[in-house]
Amino acid sequence: QKEVEQDPGPLSVPEGAIVSLNCTYSNSAFQYFMWYRQYSRKGPELLMYTYSSGNKEDGRFTAQVDKSSKYISLFIRDSQPSDSATYLCAMGNFGNEKLTFGTGTRLTIIP
Amino acid sequence: ETGVTQSPTHLIKTRGQQVTLRCSSQSGHNTVSWYQQALGQGPQFIFQYYREEENGRGNFPPRFSGLQFPNYSSELNVNALELDDSALYLCASSWTDGTGDPYEQYFGPGTRLTVT
Repeated sequence: QKEVEQDPGPLSVPEGAIVSLNCTYSNSAFQYFMWYRQYSRKGPELLMYTYSSGNKEDGRFTAQVDKSSKYISLFIRDSQPSDSATYLCAMGNFGNEKLTFGTGTRLTIIP
Repeated sequence: ETGVTQSPTHLIKTRGQQVTLRCSSQSGHNTVSWYQQALGQGPQFIFQYYREEENGRGNFPPRFSGLQFPNYSSELNVNALELDDSALYLCASSWTDGTGDPYEQYFGPGTRLTVT
């Protein structure tokens, strides 16, 4: 079993819709949670970073962490065609320098 | 502020050869991490360098080695290339205090390595 599970998609939604992307994890030591966006043939771009349970909002993006369920989500409001990319969740814990990534969800926003 | 840069962009090597990939960290950052991303997969942690020393390593064999220089730039060296080494190699820079906590890491565009 992988430490981090993420549905690879692909996920297609119409422009303007709310998108929900999710990851589950098995390692209860994870304390840092990040979401990255990766366009085709580019490096990942950090979108959101949080280390506490609850919601964190940044513009159209909301990151949600539920440590009791080992479940994290990224919500995108008013989705735009420019949001079409692969979204990667990543996690880490204190005293361990590596990030553990999900496989990524490929998202397409249809105009 | 200058972002993370990597060179070369693309590289084609033959099985058994050696390769060196380079990374310049973002201004103000002192730590560099290297990741391997196979097609359709998430990045896998190779190792991290802090103050010119390896500060953690993932599940990769010793033929994967690295260096960090006083200006915080870094190199990834891979010896005895295998076909499975074909991947996107990503460098990420961050500022850390050396305790190993995975602070926000900012990625470069990557080097796409093809081994034939």
